[in-house]
Amino acid sequence: AQSVSQHNHHVILSEAASLELGCNYSYGGTVNLFWYVQYPGQHLQLLLKYFSGDPLVKGIKGFEAEFIKSKFSFNLRKPSVQWSDTAEYFCAVNFGGYQKVTFGTGTKLQVIP
Amino acid sequence: NAGVTQTPKFRVLKTGQSMTLLCAQDMNHEYMYWYRQDPGMGLRLIHYSVGEGTTAKGEVPDGYNVSRLKKQNFLLGLESAAPSQTSVYFCASSFTGQGAKTEAFFGQGTRLTVV
Repeated sequence: AQSVSQHNHHVILSEAASLELGCNYSYGGTVNLFWYVQYPGQHLQLLLKYFSGDPLVKGIKGFEAEFIKSKFSFNLRKPSVQWSDTAEYFCAVNFGGYQKVTFGTGTKLQVIP
Repeated sequence: NAGVTQTPKFRVLKTGQSMTLLCAQDMNHEYMYWYRQDPGMGLRLIHYSVGEGTTAKGEVPDGYNVSRLKKQNFLLGLESAAPSQTSVYFCASSFTGQGAKTEAFFGQGTRLTVV
């Protein structure tokens, strides 16, 4: 069965540290990939998405993600985090053109000033 | 723009009570979804709709019913609430199915506690 894995459940970083959050999926076919962010007390909003083309995609607020097909991965990165990046981050994958996506379990990021 | 609006935002139910959560979107989206969010489990799809008058089951549909009588509204019903349904519920909508490369827009969530 298709699945999405986020192995880091809780990450604590100091401001200005670099961030990389892992996302792996299990499916050998075509995928559409998303990262969503949920700030405390707010709804989920889209950070970035990948459908095709350049595997390095840039999103809002300085985030980027790289699609590595051979590793079935779509890791999220940011060179220098800020306190305002404290949030929960969800990877989501659409498998093979189906109507819905499957979400990972989320990674809570805490940035310490 | 309102986007996706959920009502109510908070609710406490007793076991066995029923309630309906309302989701309204003003973006003329065809697709609407209901998710529940539980700690350590991410978002799980309960039911979804691909258009007015249609509904389909997601990953965890048991104990829930839905209706999409109007394009802009998607209702989630709990006929007989159980403590296992304590969760945060999110509604989302998208212009087309997410397999067509569109993102979903989420509501603010409803925090439901069943005691």
